[in-house]
Amino acid sequence: AQKITQTQPGMFVQEKEAVTLDCTYDTSDPSYGLFWYKQPSSGEMIFLIYQGSYDQQNATEGRYSLNFQKARKSANLVISASQLGDSAMYFCAMREVKTSYDKVIFGPGTSLSVIP
Amino acid sequence: GAVVSQHPSRVICKSGTSVKIECRSLDFQATTMFWYRQFPKQSLMLMATSNEGSKATYEQGVEKDKFLINHASLTLSTLTVTSAHPEDSSFYICSAERGAGRLRAYEQYFGPGTRLTVT
Repeated sequence: AQKITQTQPGMFVQEKEAVTLDCTYDTSDPSYGLFWYKQPSSGEMIFLIYQGSYDQQNATEGRYSLNFQKARKSANLVISASQLGDSAMYFCAMREVKTSYDKVIFGPGTSLSVIP
Repeated sequence: GAVVSQHPSRVICKSGTSVKIECRSLDFQATTMFWYRQFPKQSLMLMATSNEGSKATYEQGVEKDKFLINHASLTLSTLTVTSAHPEDSSFYICSAERGAGRLRAYEQYFGPGTRLTVT
């Protein structure tokens, strides 16, 4: 069963507008971490934002904010004031702490295109 | 920020040969390293979790005899693709975790990736 779901394979947004990228997850562990990465066409993974399962407030990092709804198991990424350089693949990921090792799994990704 | 390097960045090899990919944490000691595989336009698939000094933990469906992982030191992990075949062609990415912050995502740093092409 897929543990990370990103229902939007592709998204378009006008420059300077805000955009929300969806992410839902599935875990039975009480302790986990959620994060978003950006992958431009060059291939490198760029960390954007992190949310811990016990964090009381939604995480924010500059133009990025994470809309964390724990009961619904969703962790949507909001990008405000989109820029042309935001065009990239965006991956939602979850880290589970297993008894003997940690495990990080990624969602299928959303391709974001920013239109001038 | 912390830097993780991968070598080589690109490699082309003939079918049947073995290829070694190195992942190094340049300015910190990595207690855990992860190896991922990514096909074009797809997500990262976790292959294995590697802890220094112990055997790697492979994900279901990943052949441990084909993808040999060695984490010999706190700054180096290697992935060896043995007897490579064209279907092994992919983008391989490593990440390295620093310290004991197991849920602190920003302590996981990604390498730039290695593009393997098997002819």
